[in-house]
Amino acid sequence: DVQLVESGGGLMQPGRSLRISCKASGFAFDEYAMHWVRQPPGKGLEWVAGIKWNSGSIGYADSVKGRFTISRDNAEKMLYFQMNSLRSDDTAIYYCVKDTGEEGAFDVWGQGTMVTVSS
Amino acid sequence: VVLTQTPLSSPVTLGQPASISCSSTHSLVHTDGSTYLSWLQQRPGQPPRLLLYKISNRFSGVPDRFSGSGAGTDFTLEISTVEAEDVGVYYCMQATYFPLSFGGGTRVEIK
Repeated sequence: DVQLVESGGGLMQPGRSLRISCKASGFAFDEYAMHWVRQPPGKGLEWVAGIKWNSGSIGYADSVKGRFTISRDNAEKMLYFQMNSLRSDDTAIYYCVKDTGEEGAFDVWGQGTMVTVSS
Repeated sequence: VVLTQTPLSSPVTLGQPASISCSSTHSLVHTDGSTYLSWLQQRPGQPPRLLLYKISNRFSGVPDRFSGSGAGTDFTLEISTVEAEDVGVYYCMQATYFPLSFGGGTRVEIK
């Protein structure tokens, strides 16, 4: 089965750092771009970062640029998201998402990991 | 690129059709000629699920009661006959430009 499993979420104080992870299985991880999409409680979806298959191209939403870093380890089939200088408005479910490639869509979503930033 | 969905909420009778619109501030036609507009469904308590890509192509396993149309800046998702399992929030998404963006969502509920 094609699967993405996130981990590492939790309750963090403002200004602290957190790294969340995503383990992929069931597909050729090293052939696809991957993304992080977040969803604040009760609100809509926000794309926050994406990385090409070979890490050669990386993009961020303005809301996280300079604070968050996306990375991947193709040998381990892992996607990472280092989140620094956390703020209360970073509170959200963070989804790990697989890109379809040529179709320009997101075809596999993890169950998400909840990150709560609060003092 | 800002995507605006209407309506915000759509109460529908079972067996009746539903229609959701997605309007973009910019044409979503890529320089390669493709239009990277997709639709996703999020059932309560679940992650989103891909329904349609490149305007009108149904993803694997998606029932044929879901269809998409449109071009340029205006797009529509139609459900020909709404079933109980279709309850949830529907999002359009564009991948023509960075940063990628989603519409605000349309809630489909049963009357």
